[in-house]
Amino acid sequence: GAGVSQTPSNKVTEKGKYVELRCDPISGHTALYWYRQSLGQGPEFLIYFQGTGAADDSGLPNDRFFAVRPEGSVSTLKIQRTERGDSAMYLCASSPTGGGTDTQYFGPGTRLTVL
Amino acid sequence: RKEVEQDPGPFNVPEGATVAFNCTYSNSASQSFFWYRQDCRKEPKLLMSVYSSGNEDGRFTAQLNRASQYISLLIRDSKLSDSATYLCVARPPGGSYIPTFGRGTSLIVHP
Repeated sequence: GAGVSQTPSNKVTEKGKYVELRCDPISGHTALYWYRQSLGQGPEFLIYFQGTGAADDSGLPNDRFFAVRPEGSVSTLKIQRTERGDSAMYLCASSPTGGGTDTQYFGPGTRLTVL
Repeated sequence: RKEVEQDPGPFNVPEGATVAFNCTYSNSASQSFFWYRQDCRKEPKLLMSVYSSGNEDGRFTAQLNRASQYISLLIRDSKLSDSATYLCVARPPGGSYIPTFGRGTSLIVHP
């Protein structure tokens, strides 16, 4: 079956611009996570959705970052006034229920470069 | 102190060797543990869950030591295709079960 998909695969933007990153989870998965991964580091949690609601957004670094999941499936991560420090791989993962032993399935990521 | 710590390596081993990685976690309440594999410029993929009793999947064995708060991954008879970064993950017992990833350990298997 189809896995998690993310678009675009690469995004190059200029400092100060607005970007949107899209995640399409595995069908039927209620839990959706966004992570950011810098070179040589592990994925760093940003936000977790359970259905349509953001159950935990404690990882968002500041108010320039926002995410939505209006219909409980596709999610969009939005970054305003991008900064060079936002350059990273943005990973999305989904899991069936969000429970503690659930397996998370990752998408291929969006590599964001802010010039 | 990071919540999940791993030696970044790289661990450079010949084919056929046995190699072990450890990972320590700081939250003693963590309940679920996993090892993920990540190839260069690819997404992480689940390698195996780590159970209290230890578990084995072919050439891979995972162990959990709650008293010392570490998990381990043992790879026997290393293959060239095992070259990757191995990420350790710990999840808390409740709330949103948000996983914490280590920075990963790089393994290079050479002929």
